[in-house]
Amino acid sequence: DAGVIQSPRHEVTEMGQEVTLRCKPISGHDYLFWYRQTMMRGLELLIYFNNNVPIDDSGMPEDRFSAKMPNASFSTLKIQPSEPRDSAVYFCASSSRGSGGVYTGELFFGEGSRLTVL
Amino acid sequence: AQSVTQLGSHVSVSEGALVLLRCNYSSSVPPYLFWYVQYPNQGLQLLLKYTSAATLVKGINGFEAEFKKSETSFHLTKPSAHMSDAAEYFCAVSEDFNKFYFGSGTKLNVKP
Repeated sequence: DAGVIQSPRHEVTEMGQEVTLRCKPISGHDYLFWYRQTMMRGLELLIYFNNNVPIDDSGMPEDRFSAKMPNASFSTLKIQPSEPRDSAVYFCASSSRGSGGVYTGELFFGEGSRLTVL
Repeated sequence: AQSVTQLGSHVSVSEGALVLLRCNYSSSVPPYLFWYVQYPNQGLQLLLKYTSAATLVKGINGFEAEFKKSETSFHLTKPSAHMSDAAEYFCAVSEDFNKFYFGSGTKLNVKP
């Protein structure tokens, strides 16, 4: 069973360029989360979706950041324009109800997209 | 408001020694608590979780954690460290399985 798939794994871009990160959650999972990991701030929740609908985007740092989930199997995180302080590892994670119909609380993480903005 | 504090950003133990990674939480309601492990260049993986059942929780790879409400703690332990345990460990808290708040992480180094 495939896990959460993120692309690209590494991205190096110049300041001002648009960056699009992609995520394919585990099939059947109805929650999707975007996290950012930096040395200074650790793991920060940016936004999460439930059934493709954004529920809480209070962690999105500024209007330069946007996220979409057009269907249950795909989500994007876009940064436009990018800045050096956006350099980080961006993780996508998904979760679902267990066999008993209750959320287990387990997040399944992708391997992350390492973004470097020069 | 929820938060997690992990004491010690780096912990070093000898192979075979006890592992103790500390986590204290703050939550206005009974929390759900988790420990995740991150190996280099990988995403986080769940080690164990506390969801209001037994206070002593056993996880994968011989790790366990005890929920102590009076101390607002959820420390992670393993009786005997193995070289393969070297990784970064994150404690997390959630009140509703929707928003998870992670600690700053503790890097575990295991010396031969």
